[in-house]
Amino acid sequence: AQSVAQPEDQVNVAEGNPLTVKCTYSVSGNPYLFWYVQYPNRGLQFLLKYITGDNLVKGSYGFEAEFNKSQTSFHLKKPSALVSDSALYFCAVRGLSGAGSYQLTFGKGTKLSVIP
Amino acid sequence: DTGVSQDPRHKITKRGQNVTFRCDPISEHNRLYWYRQTLGQGPEFLTYFQNEAQLEKSRLLSDRFSAERPKGSFSTLEIQRTEQGDSAMYLCASSPPLVEGLTDTQYFGPGTRLTVL
Repeated sequence: AQSVAQPEDQVNVAEGNPLTVKCTYSVSGNPYLFWYVQYPNRGLQFLLKYITGDNLVKGSYGFEAEFNKSQTSFHLKKPSALVSDSALYFCAVRGLSGAGSYQLTFGKGTKLSVIP
Repeated sequence: DTGVSQDPRHKITKRGQNVTFRCDPISEHNRLYWYRQTLGQGPEFLTYFQNEAQLEKSRLLSDRFSAERPKGSFSTLEIQRTEQGDSAMYLCASSPPLVEGLTDTQYFGPGTRLTVL
């Protein structure tokens, strides 16, 4: 079975400071990893994904994520936070093959608050 | 390119009633997914369609839940004899045909928020 852990329920960061939202995963074989953002009463918006290749993935709105196979982590980062980045962030994993390989398994989410 | 749309956006019903939700995927996306999200949790997978075929169902999808995608375009999710525990946000996602060597990205709709009184 595949799983995702987001160890922080909430992350607070000052505007202009770098931000990191943590994610670790467990899956059989090589993973497909995703980050989504959710604004209040809205669906999920895709930010970025890792499939293979370069461990540093760049996505929308200046976000990037670093895949670390040995630590089974896929942390989301941004060099300079904006107040508009305040939202709920979800990490998700999808297995490469086998049962459940079509579904995304999500973490519980991390609420990011950027303080002006 | 319009996104995934869902209807209704909100539904309030009484326990024991039946409800049906509709999802219209992005055009030419042959893959469609339903998820359920409760407060404070991430979305949980319910079911997956490739064209009109339902290929995967979660154990969360009890016999009171049924999903269809009759012509491989829009999909409906029906809940019979609703219970208070069914209160949640029901999210639909779609993705394009799979290209060998790549993986598809799932694009989500705005969701239908169900409240069972």
